[in-house]
Amino acid sequence: EVQLVESGGDLVQPGGSLTLSCAASGFTFSRNGMHWVRQAPGKGLEYVSAISSSGDITFYANSVKGRFTISRDNSRNTLFLQMDSLRVEDMAVYYCAADAFDIWGQGTMVTVSS
Amino acid sequence: QSALTQPPSASGSPGQSVTISCTGTSSDVGGYNFVSWYQQYPGKAPKLMIYEVTKRPSGVPDRFSGSKSGNTASLTVSGLQAEDEADYYCSSYAGSNNYVFGTGTKVTVL
Repeated sequence: EVQLVESGGDLVQPGGSLTLSCAASGFTFSRNGMHWVRQAPGKGLEYVSAISSSGDITFYANSVKGRFTISRDNSRNTLFLQMDSLRVEDMAVYYCAADAFDIWGQGTMVTVSS
Repeated sequence: QSALTQPPSASGSPGQSVTISCTGTSSDVGGYNFVSWYQQYPGKAPKLMIYEVTKRPSGVPDRFSGSKSGNTASLTVSGLQAEDEADYYCSSYAGSNNYVFGTGTKVTVL
């Protein structure tokens, strides 16, 4: 079964850090670029970050540039999002998605609050 | 990068058609044929319904169709069914590995 499963969402204080993971199965992970998309409570989708299949090309939205780091481990079929200096406005459900946005995970909730 | 503009809501009776617009700029919707549409139920992940403006992934009913003219893309749902009631989002490639999503449209089946 083709699947993406996110994990790592938690409650964190403003200024804190968190690392999200996205485990892939059922498709050739190493051949696919990957994306992170987030959705704040009651709001729309926001594009966050992307990484090429080999990991040598990355993209960050202006809202997270300099604070978030995307990476991947193709040997473990896993995508990561390291989030530092978290802000209240980063609170959202974070989804990982495969290259063509045809495969999405179920999402993991990040809550930023003191 | 500003979000693409969608109407907040749209509605139709069962069997009718509803069309949702998605307006961007020449730097996104108008500049690339990489417009996609997603269906999202409350508490669920988005599902790809249309990609590359007009193409349907396997398993998506042909009641869903997409088009584009200039800087505006559209999603039409024909023969509305109760299960089509959901939020719909457009997205477009915006160059330099960047994508932008629409503001979202809540479709109600009356």
